[in-house]
Amino acid sequence: EPEVTQTPSHQVTQMGQEVILRCVPISNHLYFYWYRQILGQKVEFLVSFYNNEISEKSEIFDDQFSVERPDGSNFTLKIRSTKLEDSAMYFCASSGVGFGSSPLHFGNGTRLTVT
Amino acid sequence: DQQVKQNSPSLSVQEGRISILNCDYTNSMFDYFLWYKKYPAEGPTFLISISSIKDKNEDGRFTVFLNKSAKHLSLHIVPSQPGDSAVYFCAASASRSGNTPLVFGKGTRLSVIA
Repeated sequence: EPEVTQTPSHQVTQMGQEVILRCVPISNHLYFYWYRQILGQKVEFLVSFYNNEISEKSEIFDDQFSVERPDGSNFTLKIRSTKLEDSAMYFCASSGVGFGSSPLHFGNGTRLTVT
Repeated sequence: DQQVKQNSPSLSVQEGRISILNCDYTNSMFDYFLWYKKYPAEGPTFLISISSIKDKNEDGRFTVFLNKSAKHLSLHIVPSQPGDSAVYFCAASASRSGNTPLVFGKGTRLSVIA
């Protein structure tokens, strides 16, 4: 069964550094998402991406965050200057159609630790 | 602002019995509901969904019930198996309002005891 893959599985970075989290969505999917889960808290929406542009973003997704689909297969989340509170599991997801019509398929996540 | 609430952080059930996981929502615009299962060190895995035009959807051992008037949904697993032990997340979206993002509850940790 096709799956969403994320790399790296664990990323440790120092506060103020830039990080790029990488995702390869399911190949025939058109909608891409980033969610995060801070330890012990709920899974929170960050951003959705369709047709090479952001379609929705949350309050969490401020100017420090950006997303890109640099080629036909990768989908990346960049945090420009990491803060301690950015430490979380970051999940990439994709779906064949938009919200409300089909489930999101999630990757196994990247654990980001900011020290 | 918790639009999707799972009030039981944990649940223990004996193998073979029924597990019932509950979820309440506050946003009356939600019309698509899903349950995800999550094992440690893995991403959420889609289990089952239901749209607001139905009140029940069944897939093998998993059944989701939706009570729109009470803004409540539940996931029934029967019979429960030890491999079902995981964190279960309820999620919802409002598709008729321009495809709003999927909103998750905090999850319920299910432990199925052999």
